[in-house]
Amino acid sequence: GAVVSQHPSWVICKSGTSVKIECRSLDFQATTMFWYRQFPKQSLMLMATSNEGSKATYEQGVEKDKFLINHASLTLSTLTVTSAHPEDSSFYICSARDHWLAGGPSTDTQYFGPGTRLTVL
Amino acid sequence: SQQGEEDPQALSIQEGENATMNCSYKTSINNLQWYRQNSGRGLVHLILIRSNEREKHSGRLRVTLDTSKKSSSLLITASRAADTASYFCATDGIYGNKLVFGAGTILRVKS
Repeated sequence: GAVVSQHPSWVICKSGTSVKIECRSLDFQATTMFWYRQFPKQSLMLMATSNEGSKATYEQGVEKDKFLINHASLTLSTLTVTSAHPEDSSFYICSARDHWLAGGPSTDTQYFGPGTRLTVL
Repeated sequence: SQQGEEDPQALSIQEGENATMNCSYKTSINNLQWYRQNSGRGLVHLILIRSNEREKHSGRLRVTLDTSKKSSSLLITASRAADTASYFCATDGIYGNKLVFGAGTILRVKS
């Protein structure tokens, strides 16, 4: 159990276009999802925390108008990179926390998606 | 900002040897977690140790936590070539609802 999927797994786009990445929790409900960015040979940097039904909380230095996050349901969050540029090329990873305590995964554990490789030409 | 620092940055060992990675952090935590990432892939959760625990085992993994020194170590015993990956520690702070990742250790196990 506790599987998180991401779609697409990789995407190549032209500079100036927008790209949407989906993050889904497949077998549990996630009130909170997180979006991370990882540059080559570096660690994960948290971009924003996405709460179902409310606005996302962005980390310092992350442009909220450029990285649009929507968490419309307990199983889906989307990250849209608007007007993408080559410097936005990165590995984007989402994670989700299980909402329920009883009978489910610990709320302490985040379950990570497989990541989306974005290349902006 | 990242608060975890890990050492070594890279570690190369022979199959069968033990691998030890260390992680230090700066603020109070609820728990500390270790993750593994194969090249270009997502993260796999390895083990979680709570702030009131000192040691935890899972298979060939042994994790220790010293909250007085704000440090943790991950020991992989009898390493295998398949253990080759990047390993990250991540702290779950007492004031936040988010993980902060360390810089990671790249482990290479040679067969």
